[in-house]
Amino acid sequence: DIVMTQSPDSLAVSLGERATINCKSSQSVLYSSNNKNYLAWYQQKPGQPPKLLIYWASTRESGVPDRFSGSGSGTDFTLTISSLQAEDVAVYYCQQYYSTLRSTFGGGTKVEIK
Amino acid sequence: EVQLVQSGAEVKKPGESLKISCKGSGYSFTSYWIGWVRQMPGKGLEWMGIIYPGDSDTRYSPSFQGQVTISADKSISTAYLQWSSLKASDTAMYYCARIAAAQDYWGQGTLVTVSS
Repeated sequence: DIVMTQSPDSLAVSLGERATINCKSSQSVLYSSNNKNYLAWYQQKPGQPPKLLIYWASTRESGVPDRFSGSGSGTDFTLTISSLQAEDVAVYYCQQYYSTLRSTFGGGTKVEIK
Repeated sequence: EVQLVQSGAEVKKPGESLKISCKGSGYSFTSYWIGWVRQMPGKGLEWMGIIYPGDSDTRYSPSFQGQVTISADKSISTAYLQWSSLKASDTAMYYCARIAAAQDYWGQGTLVTVSS
C-alpha cells in the first residue's frame, strides 16, 4: 500500500497568518495518462465527519473558501491556509486515491490558534 | 441534495454480531462507489474498503480483509458494514462516504462501542 506521511503532527498559528501542512507519499500518485495527482485533503472538526476541501491535489471543492489551496505533484504535496481564521481549527488529513481500490490516509495534522 | 444517513450508535458485547447501515439519497446510488472509514477514539482515519452498489464489486484494505463484510442492497440504496464476532478493539466511529474523484459526501458516522 501507498504510505502517506504528514508533517507536522500539529501546528499553532496566529489568526490571519499562514498555515502550511505537508504530505508525502511513498510512491508517486501522479497518473501519467491524464496528468492528474490522485491526492485529496480533508478537514475534520471535533464531533463532525471529515469534509472534502481539495481533490486532484489542487482543485477546491465547491463552497470551500479560497484561503485554502493545495499544491504539489508526484510524491510531495502541501495544503496552505493563507490567512488562518478561528473556524479553521481542525485536524487536516491528506489521502491518496491513486490506488482507488486501496486508498490510504495520512496521520493527520492538528491546527490550533497561537 | 446528496445525503448519506447512517444508522444509530450501538453498544455491544465482545463476540456479538453487528450490521450497520448507510442509506444514500439525492443521487444515483448504483453509479458511485461507497467507502467505509474507521476512526478509533482520538485517532486518525483508516480506509477499510469499498463497494460498488451497481454490481456489488467489493474491495478491502488488507488490514480489514476477513475482519468485516461490506455489502449493499441497491433496491433500497443502502450499504452495510458487518461483523460476525465483535472485539473490544472494534470500538470506534465508522463513517461511510460516497466516492467521486475523492470522498465527497460523508455520513454522520456510527459510533460502535464494544464492552463487556
